[in-house]
Amino acid sequence: SQELEQSPQSLIVQEGKNLTINCTSSKTLYGLYWYKQKYGEGLIFLMMLQKGGEEKSHEKITAKLDEKKQQSSLHITASQPSHAGIYLCGALLIQGAQKLVFGQGTRLTINP
Amino acid sequence: SQTIHQWPATLVQPVGSPLSLECTVEGTSNPNLYWYRQAAGRGLQLLFYSVGIGQISSEVPQNLSASRPQDRQFILSSKKLLLSDSGFYLCAWNPRIGLMNTEAFFGQGTRLTVV
Repeated sequence: SQELEQSPQSLIVQEGKNLTINCTSSKTLYGLYWYKQKYGEGLIFLMMLQKGGEEKSHEKITAKLDEKKQQSSLHITASQPSHAGIYLCGALLIQGAQKLVFGQGTRLTINP
Repeated sequence: SQTIHQWPATLVQPVGSPLSLECTVEGTSNPNLYWYRQAAGRGLQLLFYSVGIGQISSEVPQNLSASRPQDRQFILSSKKLLLSDSGFYLCAWNPRIGLMNTEAFFGQGTRLTVV
């Protein structure tokens, strides 16, 4: 079974629209990472969240970690073609341990 | 500054042949090291991770093995490749700093096609 569940698995939005990607775990998340990947390439680090209720923003992308530290959301405002790609959430599920697992990814397509 | 090298970038191997993918990190010491596999357009499956020389944790029983002969070197191997071993393999590292969690840094990946 998947330790990190991402939803949706794929998303097609019109350019300029807002969108949200979710990442959920049944376990406490001791470090939550968001990465973006262009098809067939390496991963680009977006943000890391650690504290319950924490929220970070970079340009038009905002990520939040809920108070219980079991769910994170990634929100893109006014999407652009450059936002297209695969978004991956990763997390440490054991405090102090180094096992870093990832969700199934969300494939984002932006239609002009 | 720290860098991660992963090679080769692409590889085409026949079924039953051996495999060796290498990953090295520069500019840091005592890193955590990871091997992931990614199916086309999907998420990352954790294969192995290592917190020190000779210490390997295996996450998925399969046709692959990993070794860490030196502090900053992580090798993914197979004695006999299967068609199902095809995929995009990514190496990653992050610094081990007590209980602080930091960003994980990824290599550029190896696209393996088993034919």
